[in-house]
Parts: sequence; C-alpha cells; structure tokens
Amino acid sequence: AQRVTQPEKLLSVFKGAPVELKCNYSYSGSPELFWYVQYSRQRLQLLLRHISRESIKGFTADLNKGETSFHLKKPFAQEEDSAMYYCALSDRASKIIFGSGTRLSIRP
Amino acid sequence: ETGVTQTPRHLVMGMTNKKSLKCEQHLGHNAMYWYKQSAKKPLELMFVYSLEERVENNSVPSRFSPECPNSSHLFLHLHTLQPEDSALYLCASSQGASGRHLAKNIQYFGAGTRLSVL
Repeated sequence: AQRVTQPEKLLSVFKGAPVELKCNYSYSGSPELFWYVQYSRQRLQLLLRHISRESIKGFTADLNKGETSFHLKKPFAQEEDSAMYYCALSDRASKIIFGSGTRLSIRP
Repeated sequence: ETGVTQTPRHLVMGMTNKKSLKCEQHLGHNAMYWYKQSAKKPLELMFVYSLEERVENNSVPSRFSPECPNSSHLFLHLHTLQPEDSALYLCASSQGASGRHLAKNIQYFGAGTRLSVL
C-alpha cells in the first residue's frame, strides 16, 4: 500500500544548526515526491518537488530510491523556517498522499 | 481576488443540518480537490475533479456530496454529519493537462473552512 511516513511530529533546533526533516515512503512504482510547508496563519503551499532538483529558501531534498526516502535538509536553520512541513507522494493516477507532518521549531 | 478562496472560513452545524462549503479559484486551473485535515490524521484527499468530472473519490461517506459546476467553482454539500466530521476542510486547485497525472502538478491551497459538528 502507498504510504508516507514522517517519524517526527516535532523537531526543535537552534538557529544556525543543520536541519533534517525525515520522510520515508512506500510505493511500488516511480513516485513523484513533494514537500509542502504551512507557516503560521498562512495556507499550505508547495516548498519543493523532487523533479525540479532545486533549492528553495536554502532547503533541498534528494530522492533516495534505495532507502525510499525524501528527507528535507537545510545546512543552517533560520527563525523564519519555523512551520509545519508535509511530505507528499503522488502516483501516476490522480492520487496524492500526505504524511502526518512535522512541526519545525527554530530556537533563537 | 486571486488564488483559491474558500467560504465560509468557519462553520458550526448540528447533525441534522444541511450546509455547503464553497471554493473558488482564480488561477485558470482545470482541476480542483477537497481535502480533510483533522488533528489525529494526515491530510486526506477526499475528491478530485478534472475538467468538471470527478476522477477520484476516496471512499468518502455519502453524507459528503461534491459538486463542480465549472472549472472555477467547487462545492462540498454536507448533510447529517457526525461529530467526528469536525475538521479543517481544504480546497486546492492545479493545472492538469487532462484527467490523468493530475497529481504531478503543483497544488494551490485555500485557507480552509473550519467545520464543527455539534
């Protein structure tokens, strides 16, 4: 069955420290993976997608098919990175599956 | 107004009431989605419409009835809901080329309707 797992409900790091938000997926084919972010009092929005292979706001995510992971990373956390982060997977049909989300809190 | 707009922002209803949630997108997209977000579960995809035709229905109870009269508007009609249906209902839209591979397109979300069923 298709599944997206974000093992950490809450991640708290100091400003300037590296950040890694974990995402593991279960899917038999070739999925497309996304990270969505929801800042306080803002709507859910796309942060990045694996096919773009880009860095957004200093965040990157590499699809590791061997480990079935799509972890989100940033070398130096900033206070404005505090938000709720969702990993999502889509298949070749119209189905999208979201993980349960990780709340990232950056301490000054 | 641009983007994806949902009304009302908050709704309180009894179990015997009938109400509707409305979503409108001003992005020129041709696909629209309803999601349920509750405290205890991940974001759940409920319905997908592409070119005004329903292409996904994720085993949602019949007390939720979607309607997509055109590519810009999406409704979710509610009747005889249960307290466990209380949640944040999110609408999203995307630019899908057809009824397939919609999920590969970026989704733009509304702010949601916070529903409380008493």
